[in-house]
Parts: sequence; structure tokens; C-alpha cells
Amino acid sequence: QKEVEQNSGPLSVPEGAIASLNCTYSDRGSQSFFWYRQYSGKSPELIMFIYSNGDKEDGRFTAQLNKASQYVSLLIRDSQPSDSATYLCAVKSPSGGGADGLTFGKGTHLIIQP
Amino acid sequence: DGGITQSPKYLFRKEGQNVTLSCEQNLNHDAMYWYRQDPGQGLRLIYYSQIVNDFQKGDIAEGYSVSREKKESFPLTVTSAQKNPTAFYLCASSDFPGIGYTFGSGTRLTVV
Repeated sequence: QKEVEQNSGPLSVPEGAIASLNCTYSDRGSQSFFWYRQYSGKSPELIMFIYSNGDKEDGRFTAQLNKASQYVSLLIRDSQPSDSATYLCAVKSPSGGGADGLTFGKGTHLIIQP
Repeated sequence: DGGITQSPKYLFRKEGQNVTLSCEQNLNHDAMYWYRQDPGQGLRLIYYSQIVNDFQKGDIAEGYSVSREKKESFPLTVTSAQKNPTAFYLCASSDFPGIGYTFGSGTRLTVV
């Protein structure tokens, strides 16, 4: 059973600070890792993906992957109130045997306090 | 503009009734997916399809059925066998094998 674990929160961060969101996964063969942002009542939107160990930066967002520890994180620098949302971690495992879809965590609810 | 269109946005189902949720994409993506989201829960995979006329069960397929007669369309039927259908349903598509999914805006289904 593939599992993706996230702290449900809420995680409260002051405006302008760094928000750190964490995710662990159980399938050591997982290859691709995604972060989605979901506003209340809306559908998820992709904000970052990462395949290789290390850091990947895109604007205020940095994804970090450590396959040995089965850990992926998302850092949001200079947090803004508009960043307040639920952040979903998703993991893709190799095809073959079982569902070939992304496995999602339950999400972390992030609140940026003005 | 390319994207995924889900309809209707809100749907009400009576006990014992089958209902069909529509999902259409013009992204020319090969793979399409249906997910269910319950409050405070992550997305759970219902069905997926990688090519036309082929689809596979996901983790929670019982009480649901799909078809993939055209590349652009992947409708989901919620049957009367699904005892707890109230949820937010999301359709997604990706290039195969895909670097990430594009989601539709979702259908919120309520049993009345």
C-alpha cells in the first residue's frame, strides 16, 4: 500500500517569513514528486515538481527531495496572505501492478498571518 | 485555451439513482483520471485510462463505472451501488507518462 504522509496543520506563519511544508512517502521506488496548491472549494493546481535529489527553485518556491530518507519538502519564501491554502504532496511510482496514478497526501493547511 | 471542462459544477442525486459526471479535455493528453476528495482527506483514485477504449480500476472503484470512447472524453457514472457518493469529484489529464496533472474545476455531488 503506497502511502504519502503530511501534517494536516494548520500551519500558521507570519507574513514575510518562510513556510516549510513536509511530506514523507512509503514507496522507495517512487520517481516523481509534486506539490499542488488547493484553495478552498477549488481544484488543485501544480506549483512544483521534482525528480532528482537536492533542491529545485522556482521564484519564491523551493522543492527539496531526499530519496534516501523518503522525504520531500516545499519552502515558500516571503510568504504572502495569498499563499494561504492547502498544499498537497503527490508521488508517482513506477508503472506496473496497481494503479498508475499519483498518490496524494491529505494536505497541509497553511495560514499566512498578515 | 486548452484545458479540462467538468460538468455540472454541482449535482444532486436521489437515493438509488445513477448519475454521470462529464469530463472533456482539449489538451490532446493520452491519460485521464478520476479522483474523489472528501473533507479533510486527500485525493483518492477511482479510475484511470491511458488510451482510448482502455481503463483501469483505481483504489476505490466499487460503485463507479467509466468509459473512454474518445480521447477527449472520460465520463464517470456514480451508480446506486456507491453507498456514500457525497464528495468532490476531480477529473485530471496528463501526457503519458506525464510530468504532472491538469485538473478540471470539479463536480460537487450531494445525495438528497
